[in-house]
Amino acid sequence: DTGVSQDPRHKITKRGQNVTFRCDPISEHNRLYWYRQTLGQGPEFLTYFQNEAQLEKSRLLSDRFSAERPKGSFSTLEIQRTEQGDSAMYLCASSRAGGTGELFFGEGSRLTVL
Amino acid sequence: DQQVKQNSPSLSVQEGRISILNCDYTNSMFDYFLWYKKYPAEGPTFLISISSIKDKNEDGRFTVFLNKSAKHLSLHIVPSQPGDSAVYFCAAIKNSGAGSYQLTFGKGTKLSVIP
Repeated sequence: DTGVSQDPRHKITKRGQNVTFRCDPISEHNRLYWYRQTLGQGPEFLTYFQNEAQLEKSRLLSDRFSAERPKGSFSTLEIQRTEQGDSAMYLCASSRAGGTGELFFGEGSRLTVL
Repeated sequence: DQQVKQNSPSLSVQEGRISILNCDYTNSMFDYFLWYKKYPAEGPTFLISISSIKDKNEDGRFTVFLNKSAKHLSLHIVPSQPGDSAVYFCAAIKNSGAGSYQLTFGKGTKLSVIP
């Protein structure tokens, strides 16, 4: 069990640039989640995959955001035309089907938009 | 609006004493509750959970109490240890039987256990 891994751990970009984050979940987990955490707040749900199907999306996920999980394994979260308000920690988590809500989180990818 | 509220941003407790972290929620559709612990530069890790059909769940030094009528839950840590120093997040799930684990988190309480 290598845990959930996220890459890169930290990304600094200029406003208007595109960024992409990658998440590798725990191998036997078929559910994958993206959350966003800003300073002084708890994590906020962005989107959820079961295998390769994106089943839920938060209204926080504007049309500049796109998430994929093409083969039901790793996932990518892309932010286009970044804005300063996108600066946050982007957390990926995974879980088994039929569990009880226990999510296993990665260490996060911190985005700083200048 | 905050559906899950942790009104104490921080808490300091002496080693060996009890730590009590509180959480209130407003949405009566929440039927499953969890506590996560977060150390700096790490992702949150699951600690303990409770279903709305129960009022208490215990796991070693950690106990979660749920008062549905008051829409309140608390996490008790006894005895507190310096390694427990972390940020604790309360989280809740609506319609947990539907299979979607869309957690709604509180803002967290930073616990400091003083040796």
